[in-house]
Amino acid sequence: NAGVTQTPKFQVLKTGQSMTLQCAQDMNHNSMYWYRQDPGMGLRLIYYSASEGTTDKGEVPNGYNVSRLNKREFSLRLESAAPSQTSVYFCASSESPRGSPLHFGNGTRLTVT
Amino acid sequence: GESVGLHLPTLSVQEGDNSIINCAYSNSASDYFIWYKQESGKGPQFIIDIRSNMDKRQGQRVTVLLNKTVKHLSLQIAATQPGDSAVYFCAETGFGANSKLTFGKGITLSVRP
Repeated sequence: NAGVTQTPKFQVLKTGQSMTLQCAQDMNHNSMYWYRQDPGMGLRLIYYSASEGTTDKGEVPNGYNVSRLNKREFSLRLESAAPSQTSVYFCASSESPRGSPLHFGNGTRLTVT
Repeated sequence: GESVGLHLPTLSVQEGDNSIINCAYSNSASDYFIWYKQESGKGPQFIIDIRSNMDKRQGQRVTVLLNKTVKHLSLQIAATQPGDSAVYFCAETGFGANSKLTFGKGITLSVRP
């Protein structure tokens, strides 16, 4: 039981390049989330998927898109990376969208030059 | 807007002593609270949660206390160990349809041998 798995662990992009961050969970959770973590800013919600087939914007969605591929997988895409998107990205899942704890992956450390 | 915050940025304790980490929240409608532990290079790890109909909840070596009157949450760690050294942060949410988990910025717990 791996929990939440994120790939890749590290990535360096040039400004303007695109990439997709992958996330999969094996806990049969309904809800999945993407957060970014920056020094002094805490965890900020980018997008979430309350259940398979739905996605919604979080606090900081600009510059990102998501796809809930199936119940297990939730990907985050950067279409045209910018230095402001340098961050650590965490995927999380929870049994339900409210009232249950989030379980996090170990993150993707992204640097945009 | 509503926010979750922590009183102190760092806390240093002697191994074997009890640790108390405090958190203030501002949203009086919050009714679900979670404590997370984050070790260097890893994702946040769920420690314990509490709902607003409770004042206290205990886990293994950890206790969470909730004071709704003053909107204060605390995490007590008994017999602190070197492995407890990490960043700790609280998170809160309501049960409303659009409520999302709001995270505090974190406090570093350093355990002195």
